Order: sequence, then structure tokens, then C-alpha cells
Amino acid sequence: GAGVSQSPSNKVTEKGKDVELRCDPISGHTALYWYRQSLGQGLEFLIYFQGNSAPDKSGLPSDRFSAERTGGSVSTLTIQRTQQEDSAVYLCASSLVGQGNWYGYTFGSGTRLTVV
Amino acid sequence: DAKTTQPPSMDCAEGRAANLPCNHSTISGNEYVYWYRQIHSQGPQYIIHGLKNNETNEMASLIITEDRKSSTLILPHATLRDTAVYYCIVRPNAGNMLTFGGGTRLMVKP
Repeated sequence: GAGVSQSPSNKVTEKGKDVELRCDPISGHTALYWYRQSLGQGLEFLIYFQGNSAPDKSGLPSDRFSAERTGGSVSTLTIQRTQQEDSAVYLCASSLVGQGNWYGYTFGSGTRLTVV
Repeated sequence: DAKTTQPPSMDCAEGRAANLPCNHSTISGNEYVYWYRQIHSQGPQYIIHGLKNNETNEMASLIITEDRKSSTLILPHATLRDTAVYYCIVRPNAGNMLTFGGGTRLMVKP
């Protein structure tokens, strides 16, 4: 597609439920990133997929968080047993992979998750 | 990774140039400087990047000092729509990861 698409745009869930957030990257982009942003805070890196390599999961805050990227395209971020502190905007970005003069990445509009 | 330092907030009058500074004194030879901005309730948006030469595009100009220890993002004629948080990021060598700091909250006022 023309941009990075995330769904749903808003999600309200009860504490303890599982949620899945979806990201459709720009066609042809081999790298995909998840970040989250709590209210009034900066962007916190969660996970990074690049091609067929093992993902960089170093930013996942707990084992309740997991992500997959199927077929090198769509990615799903899953949060199990949601807690109120998981409430945040979850941002996905994608990019081409390059050296040197790399043009950075393109973000989606995010999914606003509210745990009640 | 080279760290960046930005003022937490700045004001600018509508129609005037907005000059946003960034200090990156530990930058190494082939690390690029990237600027993004985030308008309220949206994902961050790429603005511009550079290595050592000054760069200009339709959104902004990037001025990098000769020693590369600091840079300035210039919005030549700021509008109310330019109100946003502006992030200055140094990209690690040969990497494809960007680490976002606190940024500068730019308020453009009528």
C-alpha cells in the first residue's frame, strides 16, 4: 500500500484479556519495527524484524508481549493478560534496509490501546 | 550510540523561521543525523537527514557544523501546523534502528 496501515485504530479492552494489534507495512519494505508511546512520553522500542533474520526482541517489556511477522509482510503484536500499564499508543514503522544514505522509516498512525 | 541533546521546548512566531538546535558531540565519522517530527496524535514523520553537508528539501533545511558536533533544523516560514515535537536522532553506524529521545516541543504562535 501507499503507507503503513495499522488496525484497529483504537482498542479498549478489559484487564486480563489478550489483544492483537496488526501492522501492514509498505510493500517491499523488508524491515518492520514496533514502538509504543505512553501518554506524554517518548517512543519506546519494542521489537524489530529484518528480512528472514531472527527478530530483535530486546525492547519487549515482559513475556506477555510477543510479535510475529508472517511471510515477511504483515506483523501482529500480541499482548496477553493485559494490564493497565499497557495502555499506550502502539506504533508500527517499516523501511527498506540500507547502508549509508538510508532514508529512515515510515510510521503508521498507531493503535491507541486502553486497558480498563 | 551517539546521544543527542535538544532543548525541551521552543516557541516561534507564525511566519518566522524556526531554528531547532541539536547537540551530538560524540557523533562518529559516518553516522548520519536524522530529524523527525510528531504532530499530536500522529505517528512520527520523517523530515530530513544528512551526514556532513547541509541539506534542503521541501520541508526544511539541515545545517550541520563543520565538526559535526551539532546541527540545526530550520523551518523557514513556520506555520501553526508546524507545532509538533521535533526529534533529532543519530543513526548508529551501518544500522537501521532509530532511537528517539525526548525531542523539542515547538509551539508556533499566531
